[in-house]
Amino acid sequence: NAGVTQTPKFRILKIGQSMTLQCAQDMNHNYMYWYRQDPGMGLKLIYYSVGAGITDKGEVPNGYNVSRSTTEDFPLRLELAAPSQTSVYFCASSMYQETQYFGPGTRLLVL
Amino acid sequence: AQKITQTQPGMFVQEKEAVTLDCTYDTSDPSYGLFWYKQPSSGEMIFLIYQGSYDQQNATEGRYSLNFQKARKSANLVISASQLGDSAMYFCAMREGGNTGTASKLTFGTGTRLQVTL
Repeated sequence: NAGVTQTPKFRILKIGQSMTLQCAQDMNHNYMYWYRQDPGMGLKLIYYSVGAGITDKGEVPNGYNVSRSTTEDFPLRLELAAPSQTSVYFCASSMYQETQYFGPGTRLLVL
Repeated sequence: AQKITQTQPGMFVQEKEAVTLDCTYDTSDPSYGLFWYKQPSSGEMIFLIYQGSYDQQNATEGRYSLNFQKARKSANLVISASQLGDSAMYFCAMREGGNTGTASKLTFGTGTRLQVTL
């Protein structure tokens, strides 16, 4: 039981490049979330999903897209990377409204 | 208005002593949940403790307890018998709403950095 896994662990992007942050969970959780954590700050919700095929915006969705084709996977897409997207990205999952369990994070640097 | 406020950017505590990390929250929803997470220097987010708004008793998990004062809208984390390994950032977070089917979206505070000293 690996819990929540995220890849890659670290990535450097040039401005305007695109990439997909991968997230997978093996706990059969219905709900999944993407957060970003800027230096010295708490986490802010980007997008979330309550099940396969259902996604919705969080607090800071601009510049990102998500999809949820399976229960296990919830990738986050950055289409045109900007320096403001330099952050640490965390994926989390939960069984309905119970405790959220987080992945190890992806550190993204946009130059 | 801030939904979660952590007023202590940094705290020091001696090993084996108890420490209280403050958290106040703001919500008009009668159903909500309060969480504490630990973030060590390695970066992962580790769940510590949860308190529901309708829970009659304060939550406890080993050396962690949550001092829940509903009227004051505070949910302070108490760590007893501090250990060097407790040195980390600690985040308070709130989930609003209690309807099944709505996601458990969390709002986080800005965190408190705890340093345990010898």
